[in-house]
Amino acid sequence: NAGVTQTPKFQVLKTGQSMTLQCAQDMNHEYMSWYRQDPGMGLRLIHYSVGAGITDQGEVPNGYNVSRSTTEDFPLRLLSAAPSQTSVYFCASSYTGDRGYEQYFGPGTRLTVT
Amino acid sequence: AQTVTQSQPEMSVQEAETVTLSCTYDTSESNYYLFWYKQPPSRQMILVIRQEAYKQQNATENRFSVNFQKAAKSFSLKISDSQLGDTAMYFCAFMNPGTYKYIFGTGTRLKVLA
Repeated sequence: NAGVTQTPKFQVLKTGQSMTLQCAQDMNHEYMSWYRQDPGMGLRLIHYSVGAGITDQGEVPNGYNVSRSTTEDFPLRLLSAAPSQTSVYFCASSYTGDRGYEQYFGPGTRLTVT
Repeated sequence: AQTVTQSQPEMSVQEAETVTLSCTYDTSESNYYLFWYKQPPSRQMILVIRQEAYKQQNATENRFSVNFQKAAKSFSLKISDSQLGDTAMYFCAFMNPGTYKYIFGTGTRLKVLA
């Protein structure tokens, strides 16, 4: 199993550009989430999904879109990048099995918006 | 709304000694999960330990144990026989299975000294 994979690992964007951060998991997990990590602020939930076709907003959803057409994939779209979106982005997946909602994280994407 | 507070931004401990990291949370829910995650310099998020709120027994995983005080809404992590590899950022997290939303604290940076 590859676990949770994220691409790209690093990205530099100019203000106003759009892009998609990719996230995939091969563990057949129902739940997937996107977080951003900023210094001194921990991880903040952007969007999450409880299954294919179902998404919902987290704590900081503005400026981001998600969709979940398959169980495996959960891409995060930045519509018009702003410097405030400079951050490290993590994707995570989990399930309600014996591991009791333990989240499996991807390696992260460091995004810089200039 | 649920909140998670980690009041110790940085801590240090001598190798082989014991250290306790603090976490408090606020919720009106009775059923929830609490987690400690470790983030070493590699940036990869790793689950350290998990506690289910309906279980009174404190969770333990080898050198890691928690002190879960449900009435006080406290969830501290004790690391015994600290090792250099324990140097990392540690995040406390709360999860409500009814909403599937995870809330993370701002983290405690732990340095283990040789």
